[in-house]
Amino acid sequence: ETVLTQSPATLSLSPGDRATLSCRASQNVDIYLAWYQQKPGQAPRLLIYDASNRAAGIPARFSGSGSGTDFTLTITSLEPEDFAVYYCQQRRNWPPVTFGQGTRLEIK
Amino acid sequence: QVQLVESGGGVVQPGRSLRLSCAASGFIFSNYGMHWVRQAPGKGLEWVAVIWYDGNRKEYADSVKGRFSISRDNSNNMLYLQINSLRAEDTAVYYCARTRLDRGRGEDFDYWGQGTLVTVSS
Repeated sequence: ETVLTQSPATLSLSPGDRATLSCRASQNVDIYLAWYQQKPGQAPRLLIYDASNRAAGIPARFSGSGSGTDFTLTITSLEPEDFAVYYCQQRRNWPPVTFGQGTRLEIK
Repeated sequence: QVQLVESGGGVVQPGRSLRLSCAASGFIFSNYGMHWVRQAPGKGLEWVAVIWYDGNRKEYADSVKGRFSISRDNSNNMLYLQINSLRAEDTAVYYCARTRLDRGRGEDFDYWGQGTLVTVSS
């Protein structure tokens, strides 16, 4: 099973700041990594697929990078609605599909 | 527009069974693989099961293998999850999710339902 480790667990920033979230895979996943945003009481929302492609309707301030085992989600100039939990997910080595444990982005 | 609506959750005693449903609309259901993903209270996302677009392939997480069964009715645009021998650790919100790519070309998820809560308690 491919284990995804996200860091940090919690990130405290202010609106307007830049956020950098990390996801490390226990084995190669090529570019087959996605990022999701989840707000309280809501279903996850796909942000990024295949490491660097924004999903439909996702603002340009969200970007993804990486390949192999190390990936980054960057949010430039945080908006109030960006404070949420973010998960990475791999589809290279499945089953099982695996998710990271999440990074909580909170307002400082 | 794509819609996924889960139902069938509730409070169930340990050892009992439950069937969750997911009604799909707004897309050609028979072209897409469908997954169940669950989230225990205050915890992260856990993948549960997948069924191929044509129903010919099914895969399960080790934690549910032998107790859960995924199925679909492409004629009625419905996805199901039969859950048997429920345990306390099955308590979670269960989401159905559509694969982003059709016809088995990749397993990430572009549409999710709102979830249905299953609580296992005596």
